[in-house]
Amino acid sequence: DAGVIQSPRHEVTEMGQEVTLRCKPISGHDYLFWYRQTMMRGLELLIYFNNNVPIDDSGMPEDRFSAKMPNASFSTLKIQPSEPRDSAVYFCASSRIAGGNEQFFGPGTRLTVL
Amino acid sequence: DAKTTQPPSMDCAEGRAANLPCNHSTISGNEYVYWYRQIHSQGPQYIIHGLKNNETNEMASLIITEDRKSSTLILPHATLRDTAVYYCIVRVAGSPSNTGKLIFGQGTTLQVKP
Repeated sequence: DAGVIQSPRHEVTEMGQEVTLRCKPISGHDYLFWYRQTMMRGLELLIYFNNNVPIDDSGMPEDRFSAKMPNASFSTLKIQPSEPRDSAVYFCASSRIAGGNEQFFGPGTRLTVL
Repeated sequence: DAKTTQPPSMDCAEGRAANLPCNHSTISGNEYVYWYRQIHSQGPQYIIHGLKNNETNEMASLIITEDRKSSTLILPHATLRDTAVYYCIVRVAGSPSNTGKLIFGQGTTLQVKP
């Protein structure tokens, strides 16, 4: 398996623009997580899905952020409109319910909002 | 989830064992100790987890004290590629819906030196 795939790896945009981050989880995993990492706040969970259904979005910073999972192999995190304070590395992770429930992380998307 | 305390940084000589401590004095009886690491510019990577018995896998060993209030992650023969931030996390194993979130603290930055 190729692991969790994220695209793009780097995104530079201007304030006010819409940004869409994409994630393909590991096949067969039941859960998908979106995290954000900044120097100030560390690694924070934004939202997670179980079987394509959003379960907990309490970490989503505000209404400008939205996430969808239309099927088991694809998820998006959208920011509209983007602001400079959204600059961060965004990670997607997936896991199965079985066993230790360890999470497998993607390589991340480094977002810079100018 | 119980909080953990880790030293902010440690050094280790290449080829020697790296022993990373973690305090979790408020851990509950059904909470596991998980370790993840994050190599620079990569997503976090699962290392190992345990409940009360010592655990070993191909990456590391986990030693949990009898009272479960602290643990030590051991990398038996550290290499330069083990330089990373190591996170100790305590949580209930199983589905995120009944275990709470995977909460990352600041971790320990391990620097392996030649």
